[in-house]
Amino acid sequence: EDQVTQSPEALRLQEGESSSLNCSYTVSGLRGLFWYRQDPGKGPEFLFTLYSAGEEKEKERLKATLTKKESFLHITAPKPEDSATYLCAVGSGTYKYIFGTGTRLKVLA
Amino acid sequence: DTGVSQDPRHKITKRGQNVTFRCDPISEHNRLYWYRQTLGQGPEFLTYFQNEAQLEKSRLLSDRFSAERPKGSFSTLEIQRTEQGDSAMYLCASRPSPGGPGEQYFGPGTRLTVT
Repeated sequence: EDQVTQSPEALRLQEGESSSLNCSYTVSGLRGLFWYRQDPGKGPEFLFTLYSAGEEKEKERLKATLTKKESFLHITAPKPEDSATYLCAVGSGTYKYIFGTGTRLKVLA
Repeated sequence: DTGVSQDPRHKITKRGQNVTFRCDPISEHNRLYWYRQTLGQGPEFLTYFQNEAQLEKSRLLSDRFSAERPKGSFSTLEIQRTEQGDSAMYLCASRPSPGGPGEQYFGPGTRLTVT
């Protein structure tokens, strides 16, 4: 069965303290791995799509990487406004997407 | 604003009542998804439309849930005989046409509370 697991569940960082979030997945036939950011009470906001192992994408302080079994979201010198829940999802089967439970990130000033 | 919109944003209903939610996708997107999200969990897939055709439904979707997308534009999600376990955020997302990028664009969600 296709599955997505994210770790850690929660992460507290000091402003400027870099770290990484992990998304491990099991899927038959990857149709893409997606990272989203979700603020409380809002819908997820698309960040990155990765399609093949070795691929990397960057946006401001965020960098996403992909291997055959997992993806990492690296956050460099985070700011308080980076505080949010970060969700990972994979394309599953022909049409579905499976989401992980997310990592709740809190960046302290 | 050209993003995905959902209406209402909040709905409080009594157990046993029927509710209907509406989603207006981004206009050029022909693929539409409904998800349910509970506190501390990621979005859970409910159903998928390509144009007006409903091509996939989750096995978790009971027969109390029905979704439509007439004319391939807006979509509605109806829950009949609501139960307290239906309390959740209901999210709609849309995607560009086949061959385009795979990412989805989400609406703000409808928060349902069943009392």
